[in-house]
Amino acid sequence: QTVVTQEPSFSVSPGGTVTLTCGLSSGSVSTNYYPSWYQQTPGQAPRTLMHSTNTRSSGVPNRFSGSILGNKAALTITGAQADDESNYYCVLYMGSGIWVFGGGTKLTVL
Amino acid sequence: QVQLVESGGGVVQPGRSLRLSCAASGFTFRFRAMHWVRQAPGKGLEWVAVISYDGSNKYYADSVKGRFTISRDDSKNTLYLQMNSLRAEDTAVYYCVKEADSGWPTLGDWGQGTLLTVSS
Repeated sequence: QTVVTQEPSFSVSPGGTVTLTCGLSSGSVSTNYYPSWYQQTPGQAPRTLMHSTNTRSSGVPNRFSGSILGNKAALTITGAQADDESNYYCVLYMGSGIWVFGGGTKLTVL
Repeated sequence: QVQLVESGGGVVQPGRSLRLSCAASGFTFRFRAMHWVRQAPGKGLEWVAVISYDGSNKYYADSVKGRFTISRDDSKNTLYLQMNSLRAEDTAVYYCVKEADSGWPTLGDWGQGTLLTVSS
């Protein structure tokens, strides 16, 4: 059973830059996994930030960017703001019609 | 703009059945694959099922395979999730998710979710 891994928590200072990652328990993430990223604040539905590695969803500020870094997918937030404090989830497409979410990263801005 | 409105959640006893619905608007429903994603209380997101734009392909997470059935009615712009043999671990908020405009295999817009509680 493949597990998608994310940092459980991360902290960034206001105005700072943070990179969250999305990996595999076995193997490397590539663009073939179409990594996508979602932001969720407590009590709200998730919001799609990024799909297909680095395609920003409509309305998402360009301080959010996606990439492949080494063997993981990455979401970088440049110039972090207070309202970026959220849970961030990645999902990978495993092929054969199956998607698997990571466990999520709780981002604190302080 | 895209709107996805889930309904049909509630409290149901273990072993019983329930059907969730998702009414879609603001886009051409019949052109888009649709997903169900769930979130247990205090937990992360779990992908549940997807149906292709034409309904010809349906895929499920192992945790629901054989118990849940995804379907769509393009004449009503509505997505469904028929859930049978429900278990306590199926308790979650269920989200309807539209494929992104760039197509398969992406997830785009999300509904607000409907809460299912499986409890005796």
